[in-house]
Amino acid sequence: RKEVEQDPGPFNVPEGATVAFNCTYSNSASQSFFWYRQDCRKEPKLLMSVYSSGNEDGRFTAQLNRASQYISLLIRDSKLSDSATYLCVVNGGYGGATNKLIFGTGTLLAVQP
Amino acid sequence: DVKVTQSSRYLVKRTGEKVFLECVQDMDHENMFWYRQDPGLGLRLIYFSYDVKMKEKGDIPEGYSVSREKKERFSLILESASTNQTSMYLCASSTPGQSRTQYFGPGTRLTVL
Repeated sequence: RKEVEQDPGPFNVPEGATVAFNCTYSNSASQSFFWYRQDCRKEPKLLMSVYSSGNEDGRFTAQLNRASQYISLLIRDSKLSDSATYLCVVNGGYGGATNKLIFGTGTLLAVQP
Repeated sequence: DVKVTQSSRYLVKRTGEKVFLECVQDMDHENMFWYRQDPGLGLRLIYFSYDVKMKEKGDIPEGYSVSREKKERFSLILESASTNQTSMYLCASSTPGQSRTQYFGPGTRLTVL
């Protein structure tokens, strides 16, 4: 089983749509959670951290369910510029693994005009 | 603004050649990482370093070595390149701690013929 699992997509949605990405992780010791965004042929960049109580940044809402080891990202009012691959990321757990990040393989989003 | 730079964007080498990939960060980060990214497999950690002259194996260290003689520079070495090392190589850096964001360089697309 992969440590971080995501639906690879692609998700093809029209502009203005709401789209949700889901992710599950296997290491119950993981303490930090993130969503990264990777544009085509570019490096990954942090989109947002994910907090236990859920958090929002403009059109983006992230949620965490520790009991189910499940993370989600909701994008409202999709823009063409949101087209990218979204990576679900968790930290490696305790001790030396704390500094390590485990990346999902990403979900490709294509927003259509 | 954090800046992570990598020595080459594209590199073509022949089987058996020794290959050096250089990474430099300008934010005085303690942690540095080398990943490779392949379609369908996502980012996989090769090696990481917590401090100068410190190194730890990641998930796929075979066929690679690293060097960290200065805090800002982390080098990845392919002692004898093979075709299965054709990949996108990404360097990242972060401050210590479980919630620390990793900042990525632009990547080096390495092709081994």
